[in-house]
Amino acid sequence: EVQLVETGGGLIQPGGSLRLSCAASGFTVSSIYMSWVRQAPGKGLEWVSVIYSGGSTSYADSVKGRFTISRDNSKNTLYLQMNSLRAEDTAVYYCARGNWNERTVDSWGQGTLVTVSS
Amino acid sequence: QSALTQPPSASGSPGQSVTISCTGTSSDVGGYNYVSWYQQHPGKAPKLMIYEVSKRPSGVPDRFSGSKSGNTASLTVSGLQAEDEADYHCSSYAGSNTPYVFGTGTKVTVL
Repeated sequence: EVQLVETGGGLIQPGGSLRLSCAASGFTVSSIYMSWVRQAPGKGLEWVSVIYSGGSTSYADSVKGRFTISRDNSKNTLYLQMNSLRAEDTAVYYCARGNWNERTVDSWGQGTLVTVSS
Repeated sequence: QSALTQPPSASGSPGQSVTISCTGTSSDVGGYNYVSWYQQHPGKAPKLMIYEVSKRPSGVPDRFSGSKSGNTASLTVSGLQAEDEADYHCSSYAGSNTPYVFGTGTKVTVL
């Protein structure tokens, strides 16, 4: 059974840093493409970043240069390093498993809340 | 990449049908047959309901159907049931640099 468990969210001051983790089970994170998707309070979903099986990455313009996606194959875990956090980064962050053939997210984690506030 | 446009809300009585639109551009919805729809209940993670415009994952009732014309995709929920009350989000592939463009989300209310 596929399972994704995010951790690392919390309250952080503007300008601070936070690292989110997504522990995967039931599949190998290095074999497919994985994304982070966020949802601000009361808003829609927003794609944040992707890492492909080959290791290439891409970012939404809103986080480019501040966020870094990575994975640890030995731990089967996906990460999102978030620096220079802003109030507008406040959201629930979801780990999302991609299905390349269908270009869709076929599994989601439960989400972790990041609140950026002084 | 701008968000896809969805109506903020839609509603119907039990047993009726409701259709939600999702409008993008030729760079996303109109350019690929990779439109997905997700259902999200309050406080829960999204759930895949439709992929590749009109395909249903195993376990999704056939009351849910999808279609596309030009730059606009649609999700229809037929025979509305109380448990269908949720937020619905569309998404489209827009190239390898932007694998997902999401819609603004639609809240479906079962009257």
